[in-house]
Amino acid sequence: GQNIDQPTEMTATEGAIVQINCTYQTSGFNGLFWYQQHAGEAPTFLSYNVLDGLEEKGRFSSFLSRSKGYSYLLLKELQMKDSASYLCAVATLRKAGTALIFGKGTTLSVSS
Amino acid sequence: ETGVTQSPTHLIKTRGQQVTLRCSSQSGHNTVSWYQQALGQGPQFIFQYYREEENGRGNFPPRFSGLQFPNYSSELNVNALELDDSALYLCASRGSSYEQYFGPGTRLTVT
Repeated sequence: GQNIDQPTEMTATEGAIVQINCTYQTSGFNGLFWYQQHAGEAPTFLSYNVLDGLEEKGRFSSFLSRSKGYSYLLLKELQMKDSASYLCAVATLRKAGTALIFGKGTTLSVSS
Repeated sequence: ETGVTQSPTHLIKTRGQQVTLRCSSQSGHNTVSWYQQALGQGPQFIFQYYREEENGRGNFPPRFSGLQFPNYSSELNVNALELDDSALYLCASRGSSYEQYFGPGTRLTVT
């Protein structure tokens, strides 16, 4: 079967660093995405990893280990506006096309 | 702004009714996917269309159906609505790159 696990909730303070972990078990792996979703809004793209290693983009970094079925999203210099749900999604190849399989999301609360 | 629009924004329907949700993708995006997101959950893949043909389907019954049109618009149709169909419905379009661009979603409430 396909399974994606990530923590339900995390809290942190402004200026801190937080790491959100994601573990997955899927077939037909074709990359891993991280999305940010504010309440009542659509998910917005943060990062994409298809090869092992770290991808850095400003305050956000994402890491992938395909052999371990593991990824993390690292958020540095946290700001209040970073309070949101963070979704880990695995792209899976199917008979035709690619589907994104999402985890349930991690709700991050940033306090001052 | 992702360039993907959805209508309507909100919708209230009664159990047993039928509903059509609409999505307009970016020009040149030949792939559109539909997702259902229940409150407090991650989006669940319903199906994907590529060049007007269904190109993959998640674990949803046949009463969930779709259409994609040559003008980069698409529809999600749900027949015989059930209370559990209440959710945010998201469409996402993709061109030649890997990134999927999500629309703002349609909030469907079934009473």
